[in-house]
Amino acid sequence: NAGVTQTPKFQVLKTGQSMTLQCAQDMNHNSMYWYRQDPGMGLRLIYYSASEGTTDKGEVPNGYNVSRLNKREFSLRLESAAPSQTSVYFCASSWDSSSYNEQFFGPGTRLTVL
Amino acid sequence: AQSVTQLGSHVSVSEGALVLLRCNYSSSVPPYLFWYVQYPNQGLQLLLKYTSAATLVKGINGFEAEFKKSETSFHLTKPSAHMSDAAEYFCAVTTLGGYQKVTFGIGTKLQVIP
Repeated sequence: NAGVTQTPKFQVLKTGQSMTLQCAQDMNHNSMYWYRQDPGMGLRLIYYSASEGTTDKGEVPNGYNVSRLNKREFSLRLESAAPSQTSVYFCASSWDSSSYNEQFFGPGTRLTVL
Repeated sequence: AQSVTQLGSHVSVSEGALVLLRCNYSSSVPPYLFWYVQYPNQGLQLLLKYTSAATLVKGINGFEAEFKKSETSFHLTKPSAHMSDAAEYFCAVTTLGGYQKVTFGIGTKLQVIP
């Protein structure tokens, strides 16, 4: 039982390049989330998927797109990377989107945009 | 609207001393409250959560937190710090109803001095 896995672990991009961050969970969870973590700002929600087939914007969606490929997988795409997107990205999942459910986090992807 | 304030971005304690990490929340409706811990280069994992069943909540690794409605607080404590407790701790709040919109605090880095 691997929990939440993310690939890649590290990535360096040049401004304007695109890339997709992959996330998968094996806990049969219905809801999945993408966050970014920046120093002094905690975690901020980029996009979430309450259930398979649905996605919605979070607090900071600009410059990102997501795809809920199936129940297990939720990817985050940067179409044209900018230095402001340098951050640590975390994927998370929960049984469903009920407020009292804890979220389970992946190990993160450290992205640097030059 | 909901918000979380963590007082002290860095806290240092001696090994064996009391750990106290402060969290105050703001919510217009009854909240659910969480403490997560992040060890270096890892994702977040749940320490404990308050979902209105009991005001004193016990978590993993000897941590506990008390919900005080009158003070709008949910401080995290541990009687005796261990070196392995060195990590970053995040307080988070959600509210009943709707999708799981989690608001995280900015985090408190705990240093344990031998």
